[in-house]
Amino acid sequence: EVQLVESGGGLVQPGGSLSLSCAASGFTFNTYSMNWVRQAPGKGLEWVSYISSSSGSIYYADSVKGRFTISRDNAKNSLYLQMNSLRAEDTAVYYCARLYYMDVWGKGTTVTVSS
Amino acid sequence: DIQMTQSPSSLSASVGDRVTITCRASQGISNYLAWFQQKPGKAPKSLIYAASSLQSGVPSKFSGSGSGTDFTLTISSLQPEDFATYYCQQYNSYPYSFGQGTKLEIK
Repeated sequence: EVQLVESGGGLVQPGGSLSLSCAASGFTFNTYSMNWVRQAPGKGLEWVSYISSSSGSIYYADSVKGRFTISRDNAKNSLYLQMNSLRAEDTAVYYCARLYYMDVWGKGTTVTVSS
Repeated sequence: DIQMTQSPSSLSASVGDRVTITCRASQGISNYLAWFQQKPGKAPKSLIYAASSLQSGVPSKFSGSGSGTDFTLTISSLQPEDFATYYCQQYNSYPYSFGQGTKLEIK
């Protein structure tokens, strides 16, 4: 079964850092590009970042550029999102999603930025 | 950046109805458009990619069309499980962007 499982969410103070992980299984991870997408409480979907299969191409939304870093470890079938200088407006459920047209999604992990 | 605008933002319909949701891109995106369904508290589910290609396992009651800037998602013979929020997404260029969503409610 194709599956994505996010982890690492939690409560963090403004200005703090958090690292999210996405464990992939059931498919050949190293041949697929990946994305992070977030959804603030009661709001719509917002694309956050993209990484190609080989990590050769990486893109970010302007709202997180310079603060978030996407990476992957194909040997561990894992995708990561390092989030620094967190703000209240980063509070959201964070999803990892496969491919540029996001055919498979994880269930999400919740990040809350609050003092 | 490409802006995606969905209409309507909300829609009331009855079981058995056929509904159409529209998505408009601020500039041409060829057919690089996907549609998703999201139910409360759940992750989005992929329905359609490349504007009109049905994702594996998605019933044929869902159909998509369009190219360039104007796209539609049509759902025929609505069933209770179809009442959800629907989003379009362009993947023609970065930053990727989603429409604001269309909430489909039972009349």
